[in-house]
Amino acid sequence: AQKVTQAQTEISVVEKEDVTLDCVYETRDTTYYLFWYKQPPSGELVFLIRRNSFDEQNEISGRYSWNFQKSTSSFNFTITASQVVDSAVYFCALINGNNAGNMLTFGGGTRLMVKP
Amino acid sequence: EPEVTQTPSHQVTQMGQEVILRCVPISNHLYFYWYRQILGQKVEFLVSFYNNEISEKSEIFDDRFSVERPDGSNFTLKIRSTKLEDSAMYFCASIYESTDTQYFGPGTRLTVL
Repeated sequence: AQKVTQAQTEISVVEKEDVTLDCVYETRDTTYYLFWYKQPPSGELVFLIRRNSFDEQNEISGRYSWNFQKSTSSFNFTITASQVVDSAVYFCALINGNNAGNMLTFGGGTRLMVKP
Repeated sequence: EPEVTQTPSHQVTQMGQEVILRCVPISNHLYFYWYRQILGQKVEFLVSFYNNEISEKSEIFDDRFSVERPDGSNFTLKIRSTKLEDSAMYFCASIYESTDTQYFGPGTRLTVL
């Protein structure tokens, strides 16, 4: 069985601060996919990034960056120079490659509040 | 860009009634999913559907729940004998290949009174 843990339930920062959201996962499969989704106050789930287990290269997209480390089973998400619009709940999620149903297993989410 | 759509956006029902939540997946997609999110909690998998049958289902998906793809475009979730604890946001997702990224519809908020 797979599991995703987001230990930080809530983080509050002031605008322009950098913030890192932690994600730790557990899986017995060697092939898996990791995701981050954003859920703004309006409630929809917005896809941010996907990584497969064979690609540990870190990724940067504008103010967003992701650090994938298989050695620690972590897939952390950093927002640089945070903005009020970044306020949302962020979910880390996992799919096992050998899972016939390929369902996403979500972490509990981290609520990020960015204050002006 | 094609999107997953869901109707209605909000459904209110009395306990014990039946509800049908509707999803229109992206047109060439082959795998379909329902997830639910109780207010303030994490998103939980309900069921996956491929080739006109259920691939996987969670413990939440008890015999009150059913899914159907009646006409090749809609994907529905039916909940019979609704309970107060069914109150949640229900999200639909679809993908073309099994390891693709799941893009979600906007959700249906179900309130059971």
